[in-house]
Formats: sequence, C-alpha cells, structure tokens
Amino acid sequence: GQNIDQPTEMTATEGAIVQINCTYQTSGFNGLFWYQQHAGEAPTFLSYNVLDGLEEKGRFSSFLSRSKGYSYLLLKELQMKDSASYLCAVRDQWAGAGSYQLTFGKGTKLSVIP
Amino acid sequence: GAVVSQHPSRVICKSGTSVKIECRSLDFQATTMFWYRQFPKQSLMLMATSNEGSKATYEQGVEKDKFLINHASLTLSTLTVTSAHPEDSSFYICSARDLGVAKNIQYFGAGTRLSVL
Repeated sequence: GQNIDQPTEMTATEGAIVQINCTYQTSGFNGLFWYQQHAGEAPTFLSYNVLDGLEEKGRFSSFLSRSKGYSYLLLKELQMKDSASYLCAVRDQWAGAGSYQLTFGKGTKLSVIP
Repeated sequence: GAVVSQHPSRVICKSGTSVKIECRSLDFQATTMFWYRQFPKQSLMLMATSNEGSKATYEQGVEKDKFLINHASLTLSTLTVTSAHPEDSSFYICSARDLGVAKNIQYFGAGTRLSVL
C-alpha cells in the first residue's frame, strides 16, 4: 500500500525559512514531487527528486533520501504569496502506457505571517 | 512548462443531470491522463487513469458507470459525471504527463468545481 505523511499545518514569518517534511512508504518508487496549491486552484509543479540529495531551484529546494523514505521542501525568504498548501507526491504504481501514478499526501497548509 | 486546459472551471447543476468536463493537453501529446477529485481540506484522490484508445482504469470504489471517461485523441480526455447528486459536489482536476520531457512531469488543469443542487 501507500502511505505519505506530512504535517497538516505550519506557520512561518515573512522573510524566514521553513522546511516541510514528508515521509513515505510505497510499494514502488519512481520519483518524488512537490506541488504548490493555492485554495481553489489546481496544483502547480515545484520540484522533482528521483536520486538522493538536494535539488535547488531559486527560493525552493527539495531533498530526498530514498533509504529513509524521506523528503523535505525548503522555502527561503518567505513571501506572503507563499501561503498555500504544499503537496508531497510519490510516483509509484505503474499505470500502463508508459506512465506511473502519483500518490499524494494530504498536504501541508503553510501560513506566512508578517 | 506544459499547459493542460480544463473546462469548464465551474458548474452548478440540478440533481440528476449529467456534466461533462474536458481536459486538453495544449502543447504536447498525452497517451495517459489522470482524473482526480478533491474534497475540501483533503488531498487529491485519483479516480481513474485515462488511456488513449482504450478503456480507462478506475480506482477502487469509483463507479465506472457513473464517471464515464473517454480519451479519444492524444490531446483530449473527457469525464462525464452521469446523474449527478449532491454528494458528487467536489473539485475535479485532470492531469497529464509530458512524456517528451525527461522528468515526465505531471501537469494539472485548473480544475472544475462542481456543485450539484
């Protein structure tokens, strides 16, 4: 089965750094994704990790440890617009036709305060 | 990044009517598209995987006769909610993968908010 855990809510101050953790237990692994979702909108892609280590992309970085089933998303220099839900998703099961399914965590609602 | 277009963005309908939602990949071909449903404060739950030219694969607990999926071309998949009821009110989101990109990133449509009265 699949089990993806991340904190439900977090609060951080504008300009600060926040780390959102994600742990997973899945039947297969073919990459881990982080998405940002503002209320009432569809998720937008942030980052992708398939090998261990840190991927940096501007103010956002994502880390993966496959042996520990662990990832984190690091947001630096927080801005008010970063207030959103952050979804951790693992690509696991084969969906056929050259594609895998994404299994999502419940998301972490981040509130950035002045 | 790749663009996935989803229409309509919002639907309000009476109980018992059918609602059709379209999902298009605008600048890439997608042999596989995914349909998700999201209830308030919940995560995205995969409903079905839509395969071009063949039958969709439904997740456990999703009624295939109620949620009809058609993937007639490499750029279009449709989800029809038949005889919608208030409990079907939710946020429906489609997704497609750009297989032409090495990372096979999955992009999402803007979502359709369905409200059944």
